[in-house]
Amino acid sequence: DAKTTQPNSMESNEEEPVHLPCNHSTISGTDYIHWYRQLPSQGPEYVIHGLTSNVNNRMASLAIAEDRKSSTLILHRATLRDAAVYYCILRLIQGAQKLVFGQGTRLTINP
Amino acid sequence: NAGVTQTPKFQVLKTGQSMTLQCAQDMNHNSMYWYRQDPGMGLRLIYYSASEGTTDKGEVPNGYNVSRLNKREFSLRLESAAPSQTSVYFCASMGTGLEGYTFGSGTRLTVV
Repeated sequence: DAKTTQPNSMESNEEEPVHLPCNHSTISGTDYIHWYRQLPSQGPEYVIHGLTSNVNNRMASLAIAEDRKSSTLILHRATLRDAAVYYCILRLIQGAQKLVFGQGTRLTINP
Repeated sequence: NAGVTQTPKFQVLKTGQSMTLQCAQDMNHNSMYWYRQDPGMGLRLIYYSASEGTTDKGEVPNGYNVSRLNKREFSLRLESAAPSQTSVYFCASMGTGLEGYTFGSGTRLTVV
């Protein structure tokens, strides 16, 4: 499974945008980029995924570099409820479709 | 509400005891998964079932067995619990296509 690299922690202020980076230099053409987050004492929650083009949904935006070796999860206006561990994961579009979690980025939101 | 239901939510076992963690999903998903999460760590895959009737080992299968009872249910069994199996266990499911996984709320297991 291709590996992802994320900063261990990040901090931001409430109501400001947050950009969470992820490097995946060994990504293959069949890997989708998935993001999950885990709120304290809860199971992971799906956030967004993409292949080549930037993606938007009600929770966040995903910006994917042209060479696909990195991506950025964007929270447009952070709230205290966005404090969580964010995981960037590569997932094959075929096969067993296993998710392999790394350490993730612990996001702290200051009031 | 539709989703993944895990039971029990909390459990304390003595070393050597056995137990089964239950997981059920009502979304008609084909694939189901068991993960464990140790304090301060990411999730690690124990076993998964790509479809009803099939199971495969994940990253850390030793000490566990699984049963895909039917399409809805996927159970995880600890035959002889050890303190190293103290962890939070998460079940997840996924349908066909590229939608995300849906996770349960977890079972917090302590082995003393």
